[in-house]
Amino acid sequence: QVQLVESGGGLVKPGGSLRLSCAASGITFSDYYMTWIRQAPGKGLEWLSYISNSGTTIYYADSVKGRFTISRDNAKNSLYLQMNSLRAEDTAVYYCASRPPGVWGKGTTVTVSS
Amino acid sequence: QPVLTQSPSASASLGASVKLTCTLSSRHSTYAIAWHQQQPEKGPRYLMRLNSDGSHIRGDGIPDRFSGSSSGAERYLTISSLQSEDEADYYCQTWGTGMEVFGGGTKLTVL
Repeated sequence: QVQLVESGGGLVKPGGSLRLSCAASGITFSDYYMTWIRQAPGKGLEWLSYISNSGTTIYYADSVKGRFTISRDNAKNSLYLQMNSLRAEDTAVYYCASRPPGVWGKGTTVTVSS
Repeated sequence: QPVLTQSPSASASLGASVKLTCTLSSRHSTYAIAWHQQQPEKGPRYLMRLNSDGSHIRGDGIPDRFSGSSSGAERYLTISSLQSEDEADYYCQTWGTGMEVFGGGTKLTVL
């Protein structure tokens, strides 16, 4: 059974950092491009970043470029999102997903507040 | 980059059918999209990929009550035999080099 499980969310002060992880199982992780998507409270879905299966191709949305870094470790079947210089508007549920679409994780909640 | 436009809300009666629309910006009318369902207080669930020719591939375990169709820049999700658990937000998504884009979502109420 294909499963993506995010972790690493929590409460952080503005300007702080967090590293999210996404553990994959039931798929050959190294075959898949992967993506991070978030959903602010009461809002729609916002794409943040994607990474190629080898990790050599990476793109970011303008809203997080320069602050967030996506990476992966295929040996560990894991995807990461390093989030720096966090702002209140980064408060959201963060999801990892496959690209093209097909599999979603259940999400991890990030709250940025003093 | 593409823009996806969805009506904010829709409603239909239990047991009836409903057709939700996602409209691609005209320059991107040939793009495939994906449909996702998000039930209250849950994460999104992938429903299907829908191509410009109307062919679609449902995700694992998605019942055939959910079907897709296309006409020009419009992409449709039809849900038949509506059930109470179909009350949810429905999002369309497209993707390309360097980007992914979501529609604003349609909140479906089952009456």
